[in-house]
Amino acid sequence: AQKVTQAQTEISVVEKEDVTLDCVYETRDTTYYLFWYKQPPSGELVFLIRRNSFDEQNEISGRYSWNFQKSTSSFNFTITASQVVDSAVYFCALHTSGTYKYIFGTGTRLKVLA
Amino acid sequence: SQTIHQWPATLVQPVGSPLSLECTVEGTSNPNLYWYRQAAGRGLQLLFYSVGIGQISSEVPQNLSASRPQDRQFILSSKKLLLSDSGFYLCAWNFVSGGAGELFFGEGSRLTVL
Repeated sequence: AQKVTQAQTEISVVEKEDVTLDCVYETRDTTYYLFWYKQPPSGELVFLIRRNSFDEQNEISGRYSWNFQKSTSSFNFTITASQVVDSAVYFCALHTSGTYKYIFGTGTRLKVLA
Repeated sequence: SQTIHQWPATLVQPVGSPLSLECTVEGTSNPNLYWYRQAAGRGLQLLFYSVGIGQISSEVPQNLSASRPQDRQFILSSKKLLLSDSGFYLCAWNFVSGGAGELFFGEGSRLTVL
């Protein structure tokens, strides 16, 4: 069975601090995709990144970086020098090849305090 | 460019009343369509998905149903709402090819059942 676990329900940091959001996934498939989405207070989910199971290279996009480690089944998301605008709920999701389903974690609420 | 719209944005309904949420995608054809529900404090739960007109896959047996009367229209319905149906409903779509692309989400519909 596929499963995504985001153990951190809520995280609070002070502006300019770095913060890492954890994501652990479970799947028996060898081909799969992992995603991160941001849900600001408006409610609409915004796509941040997609990573396939054959590409373990870490990725950096501005203040955002992602660490994909198949050995620990983790796909963690780090925000460097956090800003108040980063306050949102962040979801990790899993999609396995051959299906149409996207399995989401329960989300991590990030609060960045000024 | 492609856009997705949901309506109504907010809905307050009494227990036992019917429900109809609509979702329309523009700027693409034959998309995969999805309905998710986000209950308070919980993650995104996949309710239904559709890979073509008239094709509906149900993930959660309950009093909700979905229909896809047109290629780019996805409707979520209920004949009699329950209190537990309250939540934030999100429609999403992606391209058909391989089903591994990112999901694009609508603005969401917030349903409160009293």
